[in-house]
Amino acid sequence: AQSVTQLGSHVSVSEGALVLLRCNYSSSVPPYLFWYVQYPNQGLQLLLKYTTGATLVKGINGFEAEFKKSETSFHLTKPSAHMSDAAEYFCAVIANSGGYQKVTFGTGTKLQVIP
Amino acid sequence: EPEVTQTPSHQVTQMGQEVILRCVPISNHLYFYWYRQILGQKVEFLVSFYNNEISEKSEIFDDQFSVERPDGSNFTLKIRSTKLEDSAMYFCASSKVSGEQFFGPGTRLTVL
Repeated sequence: AQSVTQLGSHVSVSEGALVLLRCNYSSSVPPYLFWYVQYPNQGLQLLLKYTTGATLVKGINGFEAEFKKSETSFHLTKPSAHMSDAAEYFCAVIANSGGYQKVTFGTGTKLQVIP
Repeated sequence: EPEVTQTPSHQVTQMGQEVILRCVPISNHLYFYWYRQILGQKVEFLVSFYNNEISEKSEIFDDQFSVERPDGSNFTLKIRSTKLEDSAMYFCASSKVSGEQFFGPGTRLTVL
């Protein structure tokens, strides 16, 4: 079984400030981890992913995340928030068991950027 | 860059009616999925489909739902006798053997 916990359903940051969105996962097998962004009334856009290899992964729009196995975490960060970053962010996990897989999503974190 | 497409973008239906949501997965992908997102809630897995049969389905995917790949390109989700609580955004996704799933833009279903 796999699960994802996102701490904080709403996060507010000032423009230019550090963005930190927290995600912890549970998986019985080595996971694939993802961050998706959803803008209002739009679909899911992949920000970044961790499958194997380097634990610090960089994504689009200046975001990055670090896979920490010992902490079962995959927190999303961005050094300086832009107004355009305001959206909902979903952490997700796939159990790396081969074959078909289902994505298990977290409950999402809405990011507000204050001018 | 290839992408998953979904039609229609918005579907309005009366309670009790049948709806078919359509998806065109990426052409060389083998696995297909449907997810649902009720307004304000998280995205939930409905069903996965491979080799013309269901691989896994969630408890949400009851007898009211069915999926089909009627030809080499389309992947459909049929909801029989829609209920008010079926109102949601429905996302189709596809993938190769494993790893990243590519999501479509979604179909917003409104049941009146």
